[in-house]
Amino acid sequence: QKEVEQDPGPLSVPEGAIVSLNCTYSNSAFQYFMWYRQYSRKGPELLMYTYSSGNKEDGRFTAQVDKSSKYISLFIRDSQPSDSATYLCAMMTGGGNKLTFGTGTQLKVEL
Amino acid sequence: NAGVTQTPKFQVLKTGQSMTLQCAQDMNHNSMYWYRQDPGMGLRLIYYSASEGTTDKGEVPNGYNVSRLNKREFSLRLESAAPSQTSVYFCASSEIYRTGDYGYTFGSGTRLTVV
Repeated sequence: QKEVEQDPGPLSVPEGAIVSLNCTYSNSAFQYFMWYRQYSRKGPELLMYTYSSGNKEDGRFTAQVDKSSKYISLFIRDSQPSDSATYLCAMMTGGGNKLTFGTGTQLKVEL
Repeated sequence: NAGVTQTPKFQVLKTGQSMTLQCAQDMNHNSMYWYRQDPGMGLRLIYYSASEGTTDKGEVPNGYNVSRLNKREFSLRLESAAPSQTSVYFCASSEIYRTGDYGYTFGSGTRLTVV
């Protein structure tokens, strides 16, 4: 079983929809949680970063961490065609320096 | 622009050939990483260097070697390429800032095909 599980999709939504992307994990030592966005044929870029449990909002993006359930989410409001990309969750233990990535969810936002 | 630069961007090798993938960062980061990305497998860590002068194996190190040439540069070598090494290779760097930003900065990748 992988340490981090992520539904690969693809997920197709209409423009303006609210998108929910999720990851589950098994290692209770993870304390740092990130979401990366990867456009086709490009490297991943950091989108959101959260430490421990709670919510973090940045514009149309909200990241949630529920450590008791070992579950993290990324919400995208008012989704745009430019949000079409692969979204990867990533996690790291406290004191660690290596990220463990999910396999990524491919999102397509259609006009 | 500041960031991580990888060369080459594309490469085709014959089985058994060797090659070195180059990576350089200009952000004064201490840590550097090599990942491979395959469909359905996500990003898998090959090797990493927590700081200049140190290197450690990641999840899938077999068939690869690395060199941390200096603080800026971290190279990945395939000594005898195999078709199973066909993949997209990403280099990344990171630094732990006082604000707690643990993000990695990735290069744009090297697409390697071994025939």
